[in-house]
Amino acid sequence: SAVISQKPSRDICQRGTSLTIQCQVDSQVTMMFWYRQQPGQSLTLIATANQGSEATYESGFVIDKFPISRPNLTFSTLTVSNMSPEDSSIYLCSALEVIPGITEAFFGQGTRLTVV
Amino acid sequence: AQSVTQLGSHVSVSEGALVLLRCNYSSSVPPYLFWYVQYPNQGLQLLLKYTSAATLVKGINGFEAEFKKSETSFHLTKPSAHMSDAAEYFCAVSVNSASKIIFGSGTRLSIRP
Repeated sequence: SAVISQKPSRDICQRGTSLTIQCQVDSQVTMMFWYRQQPGQSLTLIATANQGSEATYESGFVIDKFPISRPNLTFSTLTVSNMSPEDSSIYLCSALEVIPGITEAFFGQGTRLTVV
Repeated sequence: AQSVTQLGSHVSVSEGALVLLRCNYSSSVPPYLFWYVQYPNQGLQLLLKYTSAATLVKGINGFEAEFKKSETSFHLTKPSAHMSDAAEYFCAVSVNSASKIIFGSGTRLSIRP
């Protein structure tokens, strides 16, 4: 099973600044995703991180606000740009390992972001 | 587009009682369905998944779920609740094995002594 490491695990940021979250997987995975979990709520998919091309964003999320990179099969970054208090959430990286008959999604521990 | 609806944002049961967490799905194609658990201040853990094989799926910690196409349901059950089962439970859906996973709103399970 894949192990996902996210950095930082938590941060407190000033409004108007940007934060880049890193996601490292210990093995090559087929797909990587970024989710947001606002306080007391469920996970909302932000985008699919595509290797070597632009990420695919879900409705309500745009590249200018959440630029994503995925330079290889084990690493991705999510940047939260021009932050406001409404961006305070947990951001989770997910990796999908597709092996015939054993497909499974794994999640990082998340990055707890507080914007003040 | 696929989606899941979890009925009941909060369920409370006594220790030793049956746990039933409800999930209904909507999908234009045969779905893949999942149940995840999230303990306080921790990440997500996969409890079980349905991928078009057996309709009754057994997972970890004594949980199981049954896929009922006629009812578009995938309810999670456990015969006897334990205090350690207190957590947030998420039902989720995807359209195939290499697709994004969409989560339901979650159900918080509380266990009364």
